[in-house]
Amino acid sequence: QVQLQESGPGLVKPSGTLSLTCAVSGGSVSSDNWWTWVRQPPGKGLEWIGEISHSGSTNYKPSLKSRVTISVDKSKNQFSLELSSVTAADTAVYYCARFTGGNNGFDIWGQGTMVTVSS
Amino acid sequence: DIQLTQSPSFLSASVGDRVTISCRASQGIDSYLAWYQQKPGKAPKLLIYAASTLQSGVPSRFSGSGSGTEFTLTISSLQPEDFATYYCQQLNSYSYTFGQGTKLEIK
Repeated sequence: QVQLQESGPGLVKPSGTLSLTCAVSGGSVSSDNWWTWVRQPPGKGLEWIGEISHSGSTNYKPSLKSRVTISVDKSKNQFSLELSSVTAADTAVYYCARFTGGNNGFDIWGQGTMVTVSS
Repeated sequence: DIQLTQSPSFLSASVGDRVTISCRASQGIDSYLAWYQQKPGKAPKLLIYAASTLQSGVPSRFSGSGSGTEFTLTISSLQPEDFATYYCQQLNSYSYTFGQGTKLEIK
């Protein structure tokens, strides 16, 4: 069965770029799904960041769009998140998830990775 | 963005109780609604999609209903493992917003 695993630095300096990768195992990132990123600040709720399709089409949350890039690497069977010009407000647990489209929900999630923005 | 408002934000209940959590959308979303359960330190888990379809492997004591702007998640008989935070999410339009969450605690 498909599993997702996030990886990346746990500490990023203010004004720097947050970079995370989500490795897909038990399935292919080229399959007909949307691969998404969701974050959760400490003690707060969930926030959708954006998504990428198997063909490379992307959609981003408008308030983050100027700072976000989501990409896919089919050769490594993974997809990635970059968030630039980070501030303390970007401190959160970052999750990757699979979305099969329509009204199906996000059915598979990674375990999440905590990223702290601090000098 | 479509706003989702859950009520209540906190709920105290006992094992065996029947509980209902509501989710109201700021505009109609047909049946494009999912429910998740999240336990501390864990990723959310999909319980219900398409407003009322039970995700594979989820116990039948969980059920969802509603369409348009009003939705409910019902747990028919609370079990100890059900104490968690529950979120609704709309998938009708970007940015796939989540409700603020309902924390279900043991009375």
